[in-house]
Amino acid sequence: EVQLVQSGAEVKKPGESLKISCKGSGYSFTSYWIGWVRQMPGKGLEWMGIIYPGDSDTRYSPSFQGQVTISADKSISTAYLQWSSLKASDTAMYYCARHFRRFGELDYFDYWGQGTLVTVSS
Amino acid sequence: EIVLTQSPATLSLSPGERATLSCRASQSVSSYLAWYQQKPGQAPRLLIYDASNRATGIPARFSGSGSGTDFTLTISSLEPEDFAVYYCQQRSNWPPDFGQGTRLEIK
Repeated sequence: EVQLVQSGAEVKKPGESLKISCKGSGYSFTSYWIGWVRQMPGKGLEWMGIIYPGDSDTRYSPSFQGQVTISADKSISTAYLQWSSLKASDTAMYYCARHFRRFGELDYFDYWGQGTLVTVSS
Repeated sequence: EIVLTQSPATLSLSPGERATLSCRASQSVSSYLAWYQQKPGQAPRLLIYDASNRATGIPARFSGSGSGTDFTLTISSLEPEDFAVYYCQQRSNWPPDFGQGTRLEIK
């Protein structure tokens, strides 16, 4: 069974750093792109970026380029999303999700993590 | 960048009725469009891919149609569990972003 299990909720102050995780199991982790999707409170889905764990090739949406860093450790089947300096506007639910197909940078997401709620408040 | 515009923003219907949701792209995405369902407190679920193909385990009452710039998600007879928010997503151009969503609520 394919599963993506995300790390738990975080409460941080503005200016702090943060790294959240997404552990995949039940499939070949290195063979599918993994993406991150933001959902701000009461709002819609925003595509942030993707990583191919096989070689750590990474793509970002222009809206998120330079704002976050996506990485992966294939030895432990885990992808990460990190911030170097959080802002209040980073408060949101963050989902990781697996690409539907094995190949191609442009694809849909078929399996999703449960989400990690990040709250940034002074 | 392609912009996906969903309409209506909110759709109020009763169980048993037919629901028709629209997604319009700012330029052609061919058939490279998906639909997702999101219920409160849950992650989105892939319903339809490449405009008209149901994902694994999705009931036959869900169907998708369209190509180019205009797409439709139809739910033939609404079940109580279908009331949720629905999003479209394109995979034709970078970035493969989502529409703003349609909330399907019980009338």
